[in-house]
Parts: sequence; structure tokens; C-alpha cells
Amino acid sequence: EVQLVESGGGLVQPGGSLRLSCAASGFTFSRHYMHWVRQAPGKGLVWVSGIETDGSSATYADSVTGRFTISRDNAKSTLYLQMNSLRAEDTAVYYCGRGQYYAKDVWGQGTTVTVSS
Amino acid sequence: QSALTQSPSASGSPGQSVAISCTGTSSDIGGYNYVSWYQQHPGNAPKLIIHEVSKRPSGVPDRFSGSKSGNTASLTVSGLQAEDEADYYCSSYAGTYKWVFGGGTKLTVL
Repeated sequence: EVQLVESGGGLVQPGGSLRLSCAASGFTFSRHYMHWVRQAPGKGLVWVSGIETDGSSATYADSVTGRFTISRDNAKSTLYLQMNSLRAEDTAVYYCGRGQYYAKDVWGQGTTVTVSS
Repeated sequence: QSALTQSPSASGSPGQSVAISCTGTSSDIGGYNYVSWYQQHPGNAPKLIIHEVSKRPSGVPDRFSGSKSGNTASLTVSGLQAEDEADYYCSSYAGTYKWVFGGGTKLTVL
């Protein structure tokens, strides 16, 4: 079964850091572009970041550039998102998504990040 | 990276057809045939229902169809069913390996 499972979310103070993980199974992880997408409480989906199959290139939404870093370990079939200098507006459910057809065809169940003092 | 524009809500009775629009710019929707649509039920992860403007992934009913004209994309749900009640999001490739989503449309089946 093709599956993505996120972990690492939690409560963090403003200015703090958190690293999210996304474990992939059921498909050849190294062959797919991967994404992070977030959804603030009661709000819509927002694309956060994407990474090339071999990790050589990554892109970010303007709102997280310079604070978030996406990476991947193809040997472990795992995607990461290192989040630094966290702000209240980063509070959201964070989803990882598999890239296919310039879309996201498989999604994890999400992990919740809450930034609050 | 401005969000694509969607109407906040849409509705229809069972069996009817409903169209949801998504407006962008020549830098996203108008520039690429990489528009996708996602269905999200409350508390669940999004589900891909349309990719590359009009293509349906395996398992998605043919009641769902997509199209594009200029900077506007549309999702049509025909033969509305109760389980179609959900939030729908459009998304487009915006060049240089960046993507943008719409604000979402809440579809109510009356």
C-alpha cells in the first residue's frame, strides 16, 4: 500500500525550532518529487516547499524562505522539514505529498504544529 | 505567490451539476496545463481528483471533470451525491518549481 506518514509535530514557543519527518512506503521514494503543504486552522491549503528526487534542488514559498529547510534521505525513504524561527502564523497541520503529474497524488494524514507561548 | 481565487461556497441538489471556478494569472493557470483539483472532507487529508487540467486519477468517478480557459480553470461535479459535500481546492504550477493553491470552495449538497 502506498503510504506517507508524518511525525514530529507539537507545541513550540515563538522563535523555536522543530523538525518534521515523512516516512514513505509502498513506492520507490527516490523516483518522486516531494512536497510539504500546510493548512492553518479553518483555512485553506498552502504550498510550503518542494524537493527534487535526488535532493539537489529545493524551492520554498516566500513566507518560509530562509527559515525552513526541506531535505530527504532516499536510503530511508524519508522526507524532512526543518523549521526554525517559528512564528504564530506557522501554526498549521503540515502534510507531505508525493509529486506526480505536477500535482500531489498521495498525501499523508498530517502532523500538527502549534506555535504559542 | 498570490493565491488563486475561488468562490467561498457552492451548492446544488442531488443529481444536479455544479461548477467551481478558479482564477489565476498568466504566470500560473494561464501559463501551464498543470492545474489540479483536490477534495477534502472534514478532518481528512486532501485527495487528488483532477490533474493536468482534465485528467482523472484511477478510481475517481467520471462525474468529476476539469477544464481551463485562459487564466481560469473549472471543476464540474455532475450528478451530485451526498458524499460530494466537501471542500475543493484548485492548484496550479507557477513556474520555477513553485506551486499555488486556491482559497477553497465549500460545496454543499442541499
